[in-house]
Amino acid sequence: NAGVTQTPKFQVLKTGQSMTLQCAQDMNHNSMYWYRQDPGMGLRLIYYSASEGTTDKGEVPNGYNVSRLNKREFSLRLESAAPSQTSVYFCASEAGQGSFEQYFGPGTRLTVT
Amino acid sequence: AQSVTQPDIHITVSEGASLELRCNYSYGATPYLFWYVQSPGQGLQLLLKYFSGDTLVQGIKGFEAEFKRSQSSFNLRKPSVHWSDAAEYFCAVGANSGYALNFGKGTSLLVTP
Repeated sequence: NAGVTQTPKFQVLKTGQSMTLQCAQDMNHNSMYWYRQDPGMGLRLIYYSASEGTTDKGEVPNGYNVSRLNKREFSLRLESAAPSQTSVYFCASEAGQGSFEQYFGPGTRLTVT
Repeated sequence: AQSVTQPDIHITVSEGASLELRCNYSYGATPYLFWYVQSPGQGLQLLLKYFSGDTLVQGIKGFEAEFKRSQSSFNLRKPSVHWSDAAEYFCAVGANSGYALNFGKGTSLLVTP
């Protein structure tokens, strides 16, 4: 039982390049989330998926797209990376249906030069 | 809209001393409240949560928190801090299961010998 896994752990991109951050959970959770963490800003929600087949924007969705591929996987795509997207990205999942507890992955540290 | 304020950006305590980290929230109804801890380079781990009932909740690692509706607060406490408690602590509020949490900006705890 690995919990929430994220790949890659580290990534360096040049401005304008694209990439996809992968997230998978093996807890059969319904809800999944993408957050970004920046110094002094806490965690801010980018996108979330309350259940398989649905996605919704969070606080800072600009420049990102997501795909809820199936119940296990929720990917985050940067189509044209910008230096402002340099951050640590966390994926989380929650069982939903009244559980409330979110489980976090180890994070992806992304640098855009 | 929900909001969470952690008034202290940094706190330094001596090992063995008591600890209290402050959290204030703004939310119309009874919120769902959480404290998470993040060790350097790691993801977030849930310390404790409050949904309803007893306003003093116990968590892992010897932490506890008290919900005070009149003060809109959910402060985290520990009677005796260990060096391994040095980390970043986040308070979060949730409106409903299956939806994202709203995080405070975090309090960085330094423990001195």
